[in-house]
Amino acid sequence: DAGITQSPRHKVTETGTPVTLRCHQTENHRYMYWYRQDPGHGLRLIHYSYGVKDTDKGEVSDGYSVSRSKTEDFLLTLESATSSQTSVYFCAMGHPEETQYFGPGTRLLVL
Amino acid sequence: GENVEQHPSTLSVQEGDSAVIKCTYSDSASNYFPWYKQELGKRPQLIIDIRSNVGEKKDQRIAVTLNKTAKHFSLHITETQPEDSAVYFCASHTGGGGSNYKLTFGKGTLLTVNP
Repeated sequence: DAGITQSPRHKVTETGTPVTLRCHQTENHRYMYWYRQDPGHGLRLIHYSYGVKDTDKGEVSDGYSVSRSKTEDFLLTLESATSSQTSVYFCAMGHPEETQYFGPGTRLLVL
Repeated sequence: GENVEQHPSTLSVQEGDSAVIKCTYSDSASNYFPWYKQELGKRPQLIIDIRSNVGEKKDQRIAVTLNKTAKHFSLHITETQPEDSAVYFCASHTGGGGSNYKLTFGKGTLLTVNP
């Protein structure tokens, strides 16, 4: 698999706590993405980045923030986790008109 | 913004049969249409893509067709095998620059190939 990893791979947390997921890539890609995957909804874009410190919202950005202080890392933060944010989170890298390489995913359970 | 509709949501075929998954998109400026396959418990991976200046593309048992007038594109899998069982996602990208650096995905099709 391409050089993209996610941490943690699994996390259980409680409602109201902050959570940060990390995506790390070693391919020097300019574009990075955060998606969530839920049954019946497919892959929905949360936020994306088109360069260091350049980010934009996706279709389901409410309750999430991101930061990209260096090319290789793209952080997703749930400021105050809710049960509706229980999901599988995938990050991805790659130009939108070329292959997007997905990370292995993070399973998040919010109790 | 762009909207991508994918049908059917589930598809069951016998081994050796063909499978067809269809997607429609809303933005006539869309110019890139990839298909991703996600096996159970795995990450999505690109299997084939097509650009707006091409009507059809083949790769062994997989083909994609694009009809720009009707704004739809389809994935065709021939001689299906059990290892083709997976969730398939279509997606589209709208060009134009600016900050439009994202794909819009369909909701996915669960393909089951029965031996």
